[in-house]
Amino acid sequence: ETGVTQSPTHLIKTRGQQVTLRCSSQSGHNTVSWYQQALGQGPQFIFQYYREEENGRGNFPPRFSGLQFPNYSSELNVNALELDDSALYLCASSPSSLNLNTEAFFGQGTRLTVV
Amino acid sequence: RKEVEQDPGPFNVPEGATVAFNCTYSNSASQSFFWYRQDCRKEPKLLMSVYSSGNEDGRFTAQLNRASQYISLLIRDSKLSDSATYLCVVNSNSGYALNFGKGTSLLVTP
Repeated sequence: ETGVTQSPTHLIKTRGQQVTLRCSSQSGHNTVSWYQQALGQGPQFIFQYYREEENGRGNFPPRFSGLQFPNYSSELNVNALELDDSALYLCASSPSSLNLNTEAFFGQGTRLTVV
Repeated sequence: RKEVEQDPGPFNVPEGATVAFNCTYSNSASQSFFWYRQDCRKEPKLLMSVYSSGNEDGRFTAQLNRASQYISLLIRDSKLSDSATYLCVVNSNSGYALNFGKGTSLLVTP
């Protein structure tokens, strides 16, 4: 158990809809990163939040957005869902974004299916 | 070119075998290197960090060659429980993101 929890665990949405995924970081961790893992691929970095500010972003369109709250939990929002958005969405928390060797602890993921 | 490339696999080996996975990365400025393990339909978990001098953790040995931008993982005396996907991971150019390889699937058979 990493102490990182994500909800929901599974979700089915229709193309064009919007979705919100949630993540509670491990106690004491102020940094949350989101990753998308398509079937048969490694996780791809979406963005990172550090102390409620977006700290960096991967190669994802603006319809992928996020928030981090004062308790360091986080949301990932995806608008105008496309079939290719079907994937496992992983949240990772770490004590700091500044230490490159800090281990990232992953939640169990949310499996999103877009039909 | 992908930032992190791994052996495609899958690797099917008998219990007790030694198996090696290789990985190359494209960004010479990368500073942190890891191997993560991912079980089927589960989240990735850190197996071990990889240091320039090489490091060992029980049956697992990781090596880093900065000149060749090459990382390896050696598993000795394979167990059935080692069956999983092994992900080679390198920190990004910016430092805050992790770049994952596609993963190499290992199946250890009785």
